[in-house]
Amino acid sequence: AQSVTQLGSHVSVSEGALVLLRCNYSSSVPPYLFWYVQYPNQGLQLLLKYTTGATLVKGINGFEAEFKKSETSFHLTKPSAHMSDAAEYFCAVTLNTGNQFYFGTGTSLTVIP
Amino acid sequence: GAGVSQSPSNKVTEKGKDVELRCDPISGHTALYWYRQSLGQGLEFLIYFQGNSAPDKSGLPSDRFSAERTGGSVSTLTIQRTQQEDSAVYLCASSLVGNSEQYFGPGTRLTVT
Repeated sequence: AQSVTQLGSHVSVSEGALVLLRCNYSSSVPPYLFWYVQYPNQGLQLLLKYTTGATLVKGINGFEAEFKKSETSFHLTKPSAHMSDAAEYFCAVTLNTGNQFYFGTGTSLTVIP
Repeated sequence: GAGVSQSPSNKVTEKGKDVELRCDPISGHTALYWYRQSLGQGLEFLIYFQGNSAPDKSGLPSDRFSAERTGGSVSTLTIQRTQQEDSAVYLCASSLVGNSEQYFGPGTRLTVT
């Protein structure tokens, strides 16, 4: 069975500091991995995804994530936090052979001025 | 182009009433998903439609929940005899195929009083 674990339901960083949101997954077959962002009272928006190829993927708004198979991780980073990054972030996994998506419970990011 | 739309955006209903939530996916997207997002929780998978295949209903929490997708496009999620624990945001998403990135609608906030 597949699952996603996001460590830290709440993360606070200072404006300009590094953002690191953690995501670990379990999967019996090669996964497809996604990060979504949800701003207040809005639906989810895709930040970035990994399917195949380069393990470091870049997304919108300066975010990037690295697929590390040996660690079963797909952590999201951004070098310098901006106030507008305050939102809920969800990691998700699906299989290259399947259809159902599995979402983590989300990490709420607060950016302190 | 138009994104995923959902209606109504907010719905307040009395306990025991039936409700219908509507989702208009992006044109041409063959896959459609329904999720439930409760306060402080992640996304709970409810049901998945893919083309003309039988839907994956494995996430529906009880037989009070049902969904249909007419003509491979619009989908309706129906909750019968609503209970207070049904209060949540119901999100719809569509994708080109089953394991590609999903595009989410803004959600329907359901409140059962």
